[in-house]
Parts: sequence; structure tokens; C-alpha cells
Amino acid sequence: AQSVTQLGSHVSVSEGALVLLRCNYSSSVPPYLFWYVQYPNQGLQLLLKYTSAATLVKGINGFEAEFKKSETSFHLTKPSAHMSDAAEYFCAVSYTGGFKTIFGAGTRLFVKA
Amino acid sequence: DGGITQSPKYLFRKEGQNVTLSCEQNLNHDAMYWYRQDPGQGLRLIYYSQIVNDFQKGDIAEGYSVSREKKESFPLTVTSAQKNPTAFYLCASSATDRFYGYTFGSGTRLTVV
Repeated sequence: AQSVTQLGSHVSVSEGALVLLRCNYSSSVPPYLFWYVQYPNQGLQLLLKYTSAATLVKGINGFEAEFKKSETSFHLTKPSAHMSDAAEYFCAVSYTGGFKTIFGAGTRLFVKA
Repeated sequence: DGGITQSPKYLFRKEGQNVTLSCEQNLNHDAMYWYRQDPGQGLRLIYYSQIVNDFQKGDIAEGYSVSREKKESFPLTVTSAQKNPTAFYLCASSATDRFYGYTFGSGTRLTVV
């Protein structure tokens, strides 16, 4: 069965430091992979998606993610954290032939001044 | 601008009462979804609809009902059979090709009083 695991329910970084949010998936068929961001009391917003055209995907707000098939991972990174990046981040997987998108449990990012 | 509108933003339900959450989209998307979000549990799928007049149960459909009479609208009713309805409810839509990801509404926070 397809699943998504986000390592770490909370991550804290200092402003200007590297952001690394981890996501591993399991899928027996080629996946579609997504990262979403959620600010308090709001809906989710798509940050970026894996298209199968390039393993390094760039998204909005300076975020990027790299698809590594051998590691079944799709970790989200940003070189320099900003206070406005504080939010909850969700990794999600969908797959060809299926219909549902499966979401990870989320990782809350805290940014310290 | 196209998007999804959820209303109301906050809703209070008395014991034994049915309440209906509204979800309207003007994106011309075929598919619509309802998710429930509880702290630390990510998003759980309640119902989804791929086409007008058709919908399927998700992972936690008990105590909920939906209708899809129009492409633009996918209301969710939380019935008295749902024993723990306090949560944040998110509506989403997608094009038939889910490669594009989901567009989410801003959510409805339901509280039992």
C-alpha cells in the first residue's frame, strides 16, 4: 500500500539557516510527489511537485526538493530560513492508476530569530 | 480569480444536530474532496467525487454525508452519528489529471458545544 512518512513532527531552525524537511514514500508504481504548506487556520498551498521530468524540483518561496528513487525520498530544502517560513509542511503522494492522494502527518517548522 | 470558497469559517454544533459545510469552486475542476484535519494526524479523507452525481467514501466516511448535484459545489453534512466532529475541515479540488495537485479552500473549524 502507498504511504508517506515525514520524519520529525517539529523542526526548529535559526533564521538564515538551512531548512531540511524529510519525506519518504512507498509506492509500487511511479509516484506523483508534492509538498504543501499550511499557515495557521488556513488551507494548504502547493509549494512544488515532482513531474518526472527533473529530479530536482524548484518551487515557490525559494524551496526545492530532490526526488531520489533509490532512497524513496523527496526531502524539502531551503538554503536560508526566513521568519515567514514558519508553518506546517505536508508531503503527499499520488500515483498513476489510483485516485486518492495520501498525505503525510505534517512537519511544523519553527524559525528562531 | 479562480479558487475554492468554504463557508462558514467557524461553526458551532450542538449535540444531536446536523450541520452542513459549504464548498464552492470556480476552477472548472472535475474532482472534489473533503478532508478532516486533527492535530498531529495530518489529513484524512472523508469523501471524494470525480464527477457530478457520483461520489465515493474515503477513509473516515462514517457520520458524514455529501452530495454533488453541480460541478461547482460539494457540500458536506456532519450528522449526529459523528460522535467526535470537532475538527478543521478542508475542501479541495483537482483537475482530472491529479499531476497538477490540489487546490484547497481556507477551511471550516467545527466545534461541538
